[in-house]
Amino acid sequence: SQKIEQNSEALNIQEGKTATLTCNYTNYSPAYLQWYRQDPGRGPVFLLLIRENEKEKRKERLKVTFDTTLKQSLFHITASQPADSATYLCALGYSGGGADGLTFGKGTHLIIQP
Amino acid sequence: EAQVTQNPRYLITVTGKKLTVTCSQNMNHEYMSWYRQDPGLGLRQIYYSMNVEVTDKGDVPEGYKVSRKEKRNFPLILESPSPNQTSLYFCASSLSGQGGGYTFGSGTRLTVV
Repeated sequence: SQKIEQNSEALNIQEGKTATLTCNYTNYSPAYLQWYRQDPGRGPVFLLLIRENEKEKRKERLKVTFDTTLKQSLFHITASQPADSATYLCALGYSGGGADGLTFGKGTHLIIQP
Repeated sequence: EAQVTQNPRYLITVTGKKLTVTCSQNMNHEYMSWYRQDPGLGLRQIYYSMNVEVTDKGDVPEGYKVSRKEKRNFPLILESPSPNQTSLYFCASSLSGQGGGYTFGSGTRLTVV
């Protein structure tokens, strides 16, 4: 079965620096990959989607890359702020059939220190 | 405001007492799904629905039931709750379920004693 690996330990970054989070997966490549932000006790919030034929996507201070050879996605937050502190989840999706097949990683807890 | 609404937010119940967690979305989304989130295990899919009257099992369906009689509603039913169903539950919806981002509800924290 598919396994998704995200850093289980918290990532501490100083305010203003770029935070880079990693999502690695095993086995077959997904048709697309999504990133979500989750704050304690709240539902995840969709941030970005990148498809298998795309190398990079940007949205304001966020950038996602997708390397199907390395089986890895990187999620970058530039000019990080304390308000960016949260848990970030990656999720893999597969096309075909009927189901979305969205499988979530366990998330990386990001702490931006002032 | 476009949203997924879950009720209740918190629920404490006793083993064996049937309960229903409601989920409603106002975005005319076809795809809806239920997840549970547990420490160290992440989000795991319980059931999903591609459209009205179309539902299917996710990764952890045992002990749960769902129904999709209307497009906007997707209730989660626990016929005989057990302590191992104590968890944080999320309902989510997506326009088509084929690549679109999910909109999640605020969650229901369920404790079964």
